[in-house]
Amino acid sequence: SQKIEQNSEALNIQEGKTATLTCNYTNYSPAYLQWYRQDPGRGPVFLLLIRENEKEKRKERLKVTFDTTLKQSLFHITASQPADSATYLCALLNQAGTALIFGKGTTLSVSS
Amino acid sequence: NAGVTQTPKFRILKIGQSMTLQCTQDMNHNYMYWYRQDPGMGLKLIYYSVGAGITDKGEVPNGYNVSRSTTEDFPLRLELAAPSQTSVYFCASSSPGLAGYEQFFGPGTRLTVL
Repeated sequence: SQKIEQNSEALNIQEGKTATLTCNYTNYSPAYLQWYRQDPGRGPVFLLLIRENEKEKRKERLKVTFDTTLKQSLFHITASQPADSATYLCALLNQAGTALIFGKGTTLSVSS
Repeated sequence: NAGVTQTPKFRILKIGQSMTLQCTQDMNHNYMYWYRQDPGMGLKLIYYSVGAGITDKGEVPNGYNVSRSTTEDFPLRLELAAPSQTSVYFCASSSPGLAGYEQFFGPGTRLTVL
């Protein structure tokens, strides 16, 4: 079965630094990988989607990489701000192509 | 555009009671999903639907039922509530015909079974 792991449960960094979150998956290569942000008491909000034939995707201060050889995606937030503090979820399309499988998430705390 | 709406926001049930969690989307999305999220855990897929009249089980379907009579609505039914069903429930939808595309989530329903 497909497995997805986000290595760190929590990540604490200082304002202005770059936050790097890791997502690893096993057993097959998904066509898509996505990242979501979730604030306490709210539903997840979509941030970025990267396809298997794309190495890198950027959106403002966010950057996602997708290494299908390592079966890994990295999510970077540059010039981090306290407002970036949230839980970030990695998700990939299941092998049947019908639904997303979500990781447990990494909770990022940015201190000023 | 309200997006995905869920009712109720909070609910406390007694063991053995039944209830329906409502979910509606106004984006004309074919795909709709129900997830549960327990503390410290990721989202677990309960059921999903690829269009009106078509539903299928996800990872954790036991104790739940769904129906999809319209494109807009995807209610989740709990027949005999158990403490193990205490969780936060999220409904989501995604772009027409594209399961791999971004999902839009509702605000969630926090359910406690005592």
